[in-house]
Order: sequence, then structure tokens, then C-alpha cells
Amino acid sequence: DTVLTQSPALAVSPGERVTISCRASESVSTGMHWYQQKPGQQPKLLIYGASNLESGVPARFSGSGSGTDFTLTIDPVEADDTATYFCQQSWNDPYTFGAGTKLELK
Amino acid sequence: QVQLKESGPGLVQPSQTLSLTCTVSGFSLTSNSVHWVRQPPGKGLEWVGAIWSGGSTDYNSALKSRLSISRDTSKSQVFLKMNSLQTEDTAIYFCTREGLRRVYWYFDFWGPGTMVTVSS
Repeated sequence: DTVLTQSPALAVSPGERVTISCRASESVSTGMHWYQQKPGQQPKLLIYGASNLESGVPARFSGSGSGTDFTLTIDPVEADDTATYFCQQSWNDPYTFGAGTKLELK
Repeated sequence: QVQLKESGPGLVQPSQTLSLTCTVSGFSLTSNSVHWVRQPPGKGLEWVGAIWSGGSTDYNSALKSRLSISRDTSKSQVFLKMNSLQTEDTAIYFCTREGLRRVYWYFDFWGPGTMVTVSS
């Protein structure tokens, strides 16, 4: 199975730029997607295909990468962005998720 | 609009069988696949399995021997059955629709999830 390794929890101040990383154990081309999950809620799609912004998601969110290394960038970070962010690949079977990066605001 | 909603028993005794239903609206089960994803308390997301738009299924290899996913297209419902439940199966179970844009398949709509606790 493709293992996705995410950066540990991060703490940033509002207005700053934050990058969240996701590394795949094998190539997933650009079949990487990012989700935001707030406590008590279901995940919400932010980015699909590594760099495509889902409709309705603020342009402060962006994604990049291909192959094995991917990043989710939030610029500028707002207080409402406090959440856990998961990467997920759909290029290789079975689909797999990263363990999540918990973003806290200072 | 697209909606999914899970329903189930909440509490299941160890070694018993879990039965969950995902009721969908706003799309057809013959057009989009539906997946199950679970999340143990305070932990990450785990893909459980899927029923594809054509009706075939795929399962997480670690759960395959205990798992069955089926559907009733006339009722827009997807069913998950998992037997021999253990405490490690305690989790929030989500159903999610797989969407396609360009060449990418991804989970574009999610149900709110249903908490399943395995305990005697």
C-alpha cells in the first residue's frame, strides 16, 4: 500500500503563510488530494489533483507537487483555518490517507 | 443537492455484526461510486471499502474477510456489514461519494458520519 507521511502538528499566527507537507512512499503522479477536518465534522475537500482548487474553497488555499512530494499552502492563515489537514491518494490501489497535520493558531 | 447520511446502531457488542446504511440523494448510485471511510477516536482516516457505479466492490485487505458492501439502487442506499467486531473497530464511519473531474477521482461529498462503539 502507498504510505503517506505528513508533517507533524504546526502552530502559526494569523496572517502568516503555512505549508503542510505530504510525502508518498511511491509515485502517485498528481493523484493527490487535500481535505480539511474540523472537530466533530466530516472532512471537506480543498484541493484535488494536487493543485486544483475545489469550487467554493478560498483562494488562500493552494496545492503543489507531483510524484512523491506534495504541499498544501495557506496564505494568509486565518483563525477559522484551525483544523486537521489530511492528504489522500487515489492513484494507486488501495486509496490511502495521511495521518493528518493538526494546525493550531497562536 | 448531493447529500449522504449514515445510519446505524451506535453500540455493538464484541464478536457481533455491524450493519450500517448510507442513504444518498442528489445523484445516482449507478453514476458515482460510494466509499466507506472510518476514523477511530482522535485518530486518522482509514479507507474501508467501496461499491463502484457498476456494482462491483473493493475492500481494505485488512478487513476483507469480515466485510461486505452492497446497495439498493431503487432506494439510493448503500449497506456495510462487518462481522466479528472488536474494540479496535470503534470509530466514526463515514460514507463518501467519489467524484471525477478531469482525470482525478476524489471524495467530493461526505456524510456527517455515525459513531460506532464496540463494547459489552
